Amino acid sequence: DQQVKQNSPSLSVQEGRISILNCDYTNSMFDYFLWYKKYPAEGPTFLISISSIKDKNEDGRFTVFLNKSAKHLSLHIVPSQPGDSAVYFCAATFPGNNRKLIWGLGTSLAVNP
Amino acid sequence: KAGVTQTPRYLIKTRGQQVTLSCSPISGHRSVSWYQQTPGQGLQFLFEYFSETQRNKGNFPGRFSGRQFSNSRSEMNVSTLELGDSALYLCASSLGPTSSADTQYFGPGTRLTVL
Repeated sequence: DQQVKQNSPSLSVQEGRISILNCDYTNSMFDYFLWYKKYPAEGPTFLISISSIKDKNEDGRFTVFLNKSAKHLSLHIVPSQPGDSAVYFCAATFPGNNRKLIWGLGTSLAVNP
Repeated sequence: KAGVTQTPRYLIKTRGQQVTLSCSPISGHRSVSWYQQTPGQGLQFLFEYFSETQRNKGNFPGRFSGRQFSNSRSEMNVSTLELGDSALYLCASSLGPTSSADTQYFGPGTRLTVL
């Protein structure tokens, strides 16, 4: 039972344009969401997070939007750069599970020059 | 500050053997979590250790075990290896336990292949 879903396994975007990566979740108890980026042969690196009390969090070129009623969050990268090409994982957590991270399967982003 | 290190990076074993993987967290971090990553299942939580105590455990059989030492280094052991244990095993460290929601920093992983 996949509680965190990333329905697009891959995404291709032109350099300079916006990349939008989507994530849906089923557990309404999730109250904290994170995005990680993973390059080949490296471990995931933390990118940005958002608490359920907010609907937007911004850090430079990266913005995460949370729509609690739709149980949906998205990561926007503007402008996209070739170095952003990686696999992006969405993860969620809540106090009741000791904040274990529950992960999506990832979306592979390719930013073409 | 050095990052999370995992050894070995690659390992090939045969069915029925056992394996021990090692993880050294970032200096000062006391929590170590282990994950298994496979293409179809994504990252699955194995267990978490904080101050030498297992605080959380995922839904894996007893063949998967771990421990943490007083210097916060951690090892995980898989006994009686099965083909399905072939995966990337990732270790993550954080300052406090996962319940504190401190950011987790990942190592590069150990790629285990079971033949």
